[in-house]
Amino acid sequence: AQSVTQLGSHVSVSEGALVLLRCNYSSSVPPYLFWYVQYPNQGLQLLLKYTSAATLVKGINGFEAEFKKSETSFHLTKPSAHMSDAAEYFCAVSDRQNFVFGPGTRLSVLP
Amino acid sequence: KAGVTQTPRYLIKTRGQQVTLSCSPISGHRSVSWYQQTPGQGLQFLFEYFSETQRNKGNFPGRFSGRQFSNSRSEMNVSTLELGDSALYLCASSLDRQGLNEQFFGPGTRLTVL
Repeated sequence: AQSVTQLGSHVSVSEGALVLLRCNYSSSVPPYLFWYVQYPNQGLQLLLKYTSAATLVKGINGFEAEFKKSETSFHLTKPSAHMSDAAEYFCAVSDRQNFVFGPGTRLSVLP
Repeated sequence: KAGVTQTPRYLIKTRGQQVTLSCSPISGHRSVSWYQQTPGQGLQFLFEYFSETQRNKGNFPGRFSGRQFSNSRSEMNVSTLELGDSALYLCASSLDRQGLNEQFFGPGTRLTVL
């Protein structure tokens, strides 16, 4: 069985500061990994995905994530936070059969 | 290409009633998955339909059911509604089985049970 943990249900950063959202996974097979973002009253939108190609993945809105097999991690980063980044972020893992989402991290951006 | 659409967007029902939610996937997508999202439980997987067959099911009671039509449109039904069924119900479509491709989400249907 696969699972996802996201450290920190709520993260606050100042505008212009580094954003780091943590994701660790467990999977019995090489995983596909995803980050999704959800803005208030909306569905989830794909930020980026890892499907066994380059370990550093670049996504939309300046976000990127690095797959580290040894650490079973797929942390999401953005060099400089913007007010519009305030949202909930979900990490997900797939073993080609099932999708499993993490519990989510709410990101607040302070002026 | 149009995105995933869900109808209705908002719904208010009373305990004991039943409800049907609809989801139209992106054109060409064959898989539709349903999720329940609540503040306390987060995002929980309900079921996945692919080629009109339920392929995967989460841990929900039998009151929750679904189906998929030949045009890939899907409906989800909840019978004998309970207060705890109040949630945002999200539908997601993907080109192939959910595990093989990214999923594209609709805006959701917010169900309130009084």
